[in-house]
Amino acid sequence: EAGVTQFPSHSVIEKGQTVTLRCDPISGHDNLYWYRRVMGKEIKFLLHFVKESKQDESGMPNNRFLAERTGGTYSTLKVQPAELEDSGVYFCASSLPGLGSFEQFFGPGTRLTVL
Amino acid sequence: AQSVTQLGSHVSVSEGALVLLRCNYSSSVPPYLFWYVQYPNQGLQLLLKYTTGATLVKGINGFEAEFKKSETSFHLTKPSAHMSDAAEYFCAVSGHNTDKLIFGTGTRLQVFP
Repeated sequence: EAGVTQFPSHSVIEKGQTVTLRCDPISGHDNLYWYRRVMGKEIKFLLHFVKESKQDESGMPNNRFLAERTGGTYSTLKVQPAELEDSGVYFCASSLPGLGSFEQFFGPGTRLTVL
Repeated sequence: AQSVTQLGSHVSVSEGALVLLRCNYSSSVPPYLFWYVQYPNQGLQLLLKYTTGATLVKGINGFEAEFKKSETSFHLTKPSAHMSDAAEYFCAVSGHNTDKLIFGTGTRLQVFP
């Protein structure tokens, strides 16, 4: 069974440009999460989808970030326009349906560098 | 608000030595507790978790952790380190009404021959 996949693995863009990150969760996993790790700091929660609905987006830093999950399958996270402080590793995770699924399966992450 | 503290951003041990990675949490109620490991160029992998029941939890690769409510701790141990244990380890908590994880800053474990 395929794990969580993320694309691209690395992205280098200039300040002011737009970048779109993609996450494909494990098939059948209704829960999808986005997290971010800025260098040297903790991994921070961004948002949580249940199928196509945003369950919790309390961690989204500002309105330059837009997450979507059309059809409840893959998800995209768009940053527009990107700023220097957006650099970091963006992780996606998925888990089985229902609260208390407990195990989130993580993708390898997308390393974003904003110059 | 919940928070997680991992003491020591880097820990070095010799092969065969005891591994002890510390984690303390702050929460108004006992949370669910997790340890994740990240090997180079891979995603985070769940090592073990505590939700309810027995406070000593055994995980994969010989690791275990004990939930101590009185000390608000969930330290990770392994009796004998192996070279393949070199990785970054993350302690995390979640609440009873949400699955979102709150992570510590991570501890990078080095194992020397």
